[in-house]
Amino acid sequence: GAVVSQHPSRVICKSGTSVKIECRSLDFQATTMFWYRQFPKKSLMLMATSNEGSKATYEQGVEKDKFLINHASLTLSTLTVTSAHPEDSSFYICSAREVGYYSNQPQHFGDGTRLSIL
Amino acid sequence: AQKITQTQPGMFVQEKEAVTLDCTYDTSDPSYGLFWYKQPSSGEMIFLIYQGSYDQQNATEGRYSLNFQKARKSANLVISASQLGDSAMYFCAMRELFYGGATNKLIFGTGTLLAVQP
Repeated sequence: GAVVSQHPSRVICKSGTSVKIECRSLDFQATTMFWYRQFPKKSLMLMATSNEGSKATYEQGVEKDKFLINHASLTLSTLTVTSAHPEDSSFYICSAREVGYYSNQPQHFGDGTRLSIL
Repeated sequence: AQKITQTQPGMFVQEKEAVTLDCTYDTSDPSYGLFWYKQPSSGEMIFLIYQGSYDQQNATEGRYSLNFQKARKSANLVISASQLGDSAMYFCAMRELFYGGATNKLIFGTGTLLAVQP
């Protein structure tokens, strides 16, 4: 089955540092990848949609300069949390959709990244 | 705009019994897909079942079935013969479908935490 690998699974770092999270589709090509943020015991909130070779589309209220998304190839999208602060601490999870996508196919999710900013 | 509502923040069920998790949705698009995902405490999102708006029959996948009532805009998940491993967060999600569109977003409900008791 389709596998999405997300790395790292857990990050703890100091306030002010930038953190890069990678999302890779291992056995399929993904024209579109989605980045979600999830607070404890809450739902997944879509942050942005990234399309290979073009700029990401951000949801309302998501700071583009804070959360940089790059989708340089059909198998890799990255989310960089720039100058992270404690309020950026959260669970970030990516999802990918295959090329030649059909509407009833589920999105494939990575295992998520727990980001803790001290 | 599409909206997903899960009114049960948490539920208990005895092992081996069936349980129904509620989901209602709102959309103006006549063509849409409904998904259920399971999220264990480890965080990964596990796809369970899909129902298309034009599907004539309710979807079933093993112990999971979807009670789709289109006129009422509800898509409840039924888990039969509950197992201890079913304890997790369950999310209902919807995607509006416009064929050929590149940004069909998957929007999630707030989730229901299911606890299976021995």
